[in-house]
Amino acid sequence: DAGVIQSPRHEVTEMGQEVTLRCKPISGHNSLFWYRQTMMRGLELLIYFNNNVPIDDSGMPEDRFSAKMPNASFSTLKIQPSEPRDSAVYFCASSPDSLAGKQFFGPGTRLTVL
Amino acid sequence: LAKTTQPISMDSYEGQEVNITCSHNNIATNDYITWYQQFPSQGPRFIIQGYKTKVTNEVASLFIPADRKSSTLSLPRVSLSDTAVYYCLVRSYIPTFGRGTSLIVHP
Repeated sequence: DAGVIQSPRHEVTEMGQEVTLRCKPISGHNSLFWYRQTMMRGLELLIYFNNNVPIDDSGMPEDRFSAKMPNASFSTLKIQPSEPRDSAVYFCASSPDSLAGKQFFGPGTRLTVL
Repeated sequence: LAKTTQPISMDSYEGQEVNITCSHNNIATNDYITWYQQFPSQGPRFIIQGYKTKVTNEVASLFIPADRKSSTLSLPRVSLSDTAVYYCLVRSYIPTFGRGTSLIVHP
């Protein structure tokens, strides 16, 4: 199994531009999570999907952030417009357990907004 | 939601046993306790999970007392490569990682 796949691995963009991060979960996993990690705030959960349905998005910072999961094998996290404070490492994780017992993390996308 | 509390940082030396304790006073009856390890520039990696008493695998041991209000991750004979951040996570509806414990192993 290839594990959780994220793309791109690195993204550098200018303030105001749209950014789209992509994630392919492990086949057969029914839960998917998007996290953001910064030095200041640590590892924060942004949104959680179960069976492709968003269950909790209370961690999404503001309306500039949106996430979709059109099918069981693909999810996107979009930031529009991006701001310098969005610079962080964004992780996607998947889990075979809807109660999020054991999660498998992707390698992350390092986003830099200039 | 069960909230966890663990030390911000710990230091150790190669060959020593390291014990990291996590407090979770509000743990629910059906909650499991899971520990993750994160190296720089990588995503967290599952280490061990348990419900009560003791669990051991090839990497670590997890000790959980009868009241389940805390748990201790034990790393036997650490090496430099065990330098990482360790997260205690109480299985619940919404996973909360917190800031973890930064373990530094010295030569």
